[in-house]
Amino acid sequence: GENVEQHPSTLSVQEGDSAVIKCTYSDSASNYFPWYKQELGKGPQLIIDIRSNVGEKKDQRIAVTLNKTAKHFSLHITETQPEDSAVYFCAALTGNQFYFGTGTSLTVIP
Amino acid sequence: DVKVTQSSRYLVKRTGEKVFLECVQDMDHENMFWYRQDPGLGLRLIYFSYDVKMKEKGDIPEGYSVSREKKERFSLILESASTNQTSMYLCAITWGAPQTGTEAFFGQGTRLTVV
Repeated sequence: GENVEQHPSTLSVQEGDSAVIKCTYSDSASNYFPWYKQELGKGPQLIIDIRSNVGEKKDQRIAVTLNKTAKHFSLHITETQPEDSAVYFCAALTGNQFYFGTGTSLTVIP
Repeated sequence: DVKVTQSSRYLVKRTGEKVFLECVQDMDHENMFWYRQDPGLGLRLIYFSYDVKMKEKGDIPEGYSVSREKKERFSLILESASTNQTSMYLCAITWGAPQTGTEAFFGQGTRLTVV
């Protein structure tokens, strides 16, 4: 089955700096890659996603890039703010099932 | 908006108790999933269901069972709770959005502590 790896597991940045989280996947049949943000005590919320026919997608301060050849995709957050502090999960969809990374705990230091 | 509701935010149960975690969705979706979330391990799939009375084992089904008697409700059952089942439990649904394809939505999670 699919295997999704996510790095780093923890990330601290100064407010205003950029943060990058990277994921790799193993199954070339995976065709949809969402990113979730999970705040303390809450369920994951979809923040951005990308499908396999697109290389990059941007939504205000967040962007996602996909390299199908290398089987990796990344989340980029620019101009980070304290409210960006949370756990971020990547995922890959293969068939009807989602496979998740192990999460990155992002801390934005004011 | 898609709404996935888990019946409890926090639960404390005793070892050996039978525990029911309920998940309800309001959009007539077929696909429902139960995950547990533990630090450093991410989300691990326990059971899923693609239709009423249908269930499939995920990666870690041992010690759990599920029930799907109605389309909108998917219950996770711990037959005899143990301390190693202390975790955050997340219910999710997936659906094929007409414009954008398959997406997943999560409930708010149930933090279960077994003492």
